[in-house]
Amino acid sequence: DTEVTQTPKHLVMGMTNKKSLKCEQHMGHRAMYWYKQKAKKPPELMFVYSYEKLSINESVPSRFSPECPNSSLLNLHLHALQPEDSALYLCASSHPGGGQETQYFGPGTRLLVL
Amino acid sequence: DAKTTQPPSMDCAEGRAANLPCNHSTISGNEYVYWYRQIHSQGPQYIIHGLKNNETNEMASLIITEDRKSSTLILPHATLRDTAVYYCIVSSTGTASKLTFGTGTRLQVTL
Repeated sequence: DTEVTQTPKHLVMGMTNKKSLKCEQHMGHRAMYWYKQKAKKPPELMFVYSYEKLSINESVPSRFSPECPNSSLLNLHLHALQPEDSALYLCASSHPGGGQETQYFGPGTRLLVL
Repeated sequence: DAKTTQPPSMDCAEGRAANLPCNHSTISGNEYVYWYRQIHSQGPQYIIHGLKNNETNEMASLIITEDRKSSTLILPHATLRDTAVYYCIVSSTGTASKLTFGTGTRLQVTL
């Protein structure tokens, strides 16, 4: 099973709202990732968690707050977003170590900020 | 991370082999070459990866040149469902890999 699930599939929020994106995997992977993809652009890495600790933050604004409550779950808390934050948010997971950590992606959450 | 260069778009007739090239001239000795594809509005899908040797799986074959400065992804019998953006990525190594996506090649498979 190489499935990564993401909820919700679609999300519309106002600039004053607080919402959360959820990602789940049951492959025993210990690294999880958030990517952001704008229309017609490639995915861009936002955060990496390795063994439930934040290991990479690609200078993401503080209105995006990641959380890894356990090895299977990854959340992205959203607060005071801007319309330009509208994008497809992708979660991925991998088994870290050894230099060949294949990442498996979820279907994404399509976010629209009004 | 080493940078990759791919043609922006390619066409392929259904049933024919699709050969997608990628240049990665600055690749270092311990970096792997990964291929992913993204069908419209879906998450990227892992295809194949390799270090030095050619690799084959049920989806595709990966040919890496001896100097490792370029590679070719081969879809042996392309179908309409293979229409997607194909990304060639050179991975950094470490505790958790960091994939830096380039602009990819948009492959259009036609009847």
